[in-house]
Amino acid sequence: DAGITQSPRYKITETGRQVTLMCHQTWSHSYMFWYRQDLGHGLRLIYYSAAADITDKGEVPDGYVVSRSKTENFPLTLESATRSQTSVYFCATAEAAKNIQYFGAGTRLSVL
Amino acid sequence: GENVEQHPSTLSVQEGDSAVIKCTYSDSASNYFPWYKQELGKRPQLIIDIRSNVGEKKDQRIAVTLNKTAKHFSLHITETQPEDSAVYFCAASMGDDKIIFGKGTRLHILP
Repeated sequence: DAGITQSPRYKITETGRQVTLMCHQTWSHSYMFWYRQDLGHGLRLIYYSAAADITDKGEVPDGYVVSRSKTENFPLTLESATRSQTSVYFCATAEAAKNIQYFGAGTRLSVL
Repeated sequence: GENVEQHPSTLSVQEGDSAVIKCTYSDSASNYFPWYKQELGKRPQLIIDIRSNVGEKKDQRIAVTLNKTAKHFSLHITETQPEDSAVYFCAASMGDDKIIFGKGTRLHILP
């Protein structure tokens, strides 16, 4: 579990502010994913990355930006936070696309 | 579009009884079906997965069945115990490199 780290664990921000959630892995897994978890919606894929410099949209990408300049890091940025982006955000890694995903501990984000 | 439906959303069973959670998927090309368990306040963790070349897979008290023709798969937990109380998510592969999750089932094991 220590192989994947999310920071911060908790974040409170205001509408309109830019927020970046960090995800770092030590396993050198090719794939990294960002999900948001909301009551009644389960886990929804925001963005994912198959390798450094390769990213793709998931189910709910609007309002989010990602980058992957290094294999081990996959930051998620909310360019102008909205209240609807209040959620728990999970990062995950996998050796291959159709393989076990290892989740980070999550970041609880509140947008006031 | 890409979709995974999961039922029921909540399930209560007596300790020692069996629990069954069912999922359907929309993409006939899906070929990987994992199940994740999330305990309260914790991160999701894989408990079992199945690929489309098999119809059933077991791991102790947990089993998953897959019906590709009907595009549905199920999780079966036998001899349920208090520690089985959690939220369970099914998922299905979509395209070559992502999976889509169902909305989850909250399982309560009653004493």
